[in-house]
Amino acid sequence: QSVLTQPPSVSGAPGQRVTISCIGSSSNIGAGYDVHWYQHLPGTAPKLLIHGNSNRPSGVPDRFSGSKSGTSASLAITGLQTEDEAVYYCQSYDSSLSPWVFGGGTKLTVL
Amino acid sequence: QVQLVQSGSELKKPGASVKVSCKASGYHFTSYAMNWVRQAPGQGPEWMGWINTNTGNPTYAQDFTGRFVFSLDTSVSTAYLQISSLKVEDTAVYYCAREIPTGTSNWFDPWGQGTLVTVS
Repeated sequence: QSVLTQPPSVSGAPGQRVTISCIGSSSNIGAGYDVHWYQHLPGTAPKLLIHGNSNRPSGVPDRFSGSKSGTSASLAITGLQTEDEAVYYCQSYDSSLSPWVFGGGTKLTVL
Repeated sequence: QVQLVQSGSELKKPGASVKVSCKASGYHFTSYAMNWVRQAPGQGPEWMGWINTNTGNPTYAQDFTGRFVFSLDTSVSTAYLQISSLKVEDTAVYYCAREIPTGTSNWFDPWGQGTLVTVS
């Protein structure tokens, strides 16, 4: 059972927009700690997608955006492409548990 | 470019030990902490702990004390994870990940490609 809650799966057609939620609690996201997002293709290294809630590292397309409000955060992907099919994880800091906590992951399927 | 390259998959019997390596390149190895993350089959990632690459001092998450040991060889920019007295439930993919420090907003970049450890 992951500390941060994500939907197991989302899907969308090419060109559409999808969002992935990451729900935390008062000891992590709700306490104001930042949320980071990773994209993971099977058999490869997870890749940093968003850091500090909404900041894209160099090279990450602006189709990916992040936001945070209250005890939850969201990753939005616009203009879906087939290469976006992956598992997406959120991560944050928790003041009462192991400092670094993750979501269970959301598998994105591009129909 | 900055990258972490891990050792290959391992198949071990219960009670055996395994040592996973994580070789860093493209940056000054001792300038960033190295973390270890476990991902069991069908589960989300779980933070195992970190090692201070300057001092070699490890810190373990509560669930990873006793049988898990983090170590370094700074001469070859490599971090190691050793697991002893392996159990079937240790079957997982183990990742190393460089920690980018900002206080309580740290993130991990890059990650290694993962090492599958199968205990059977």
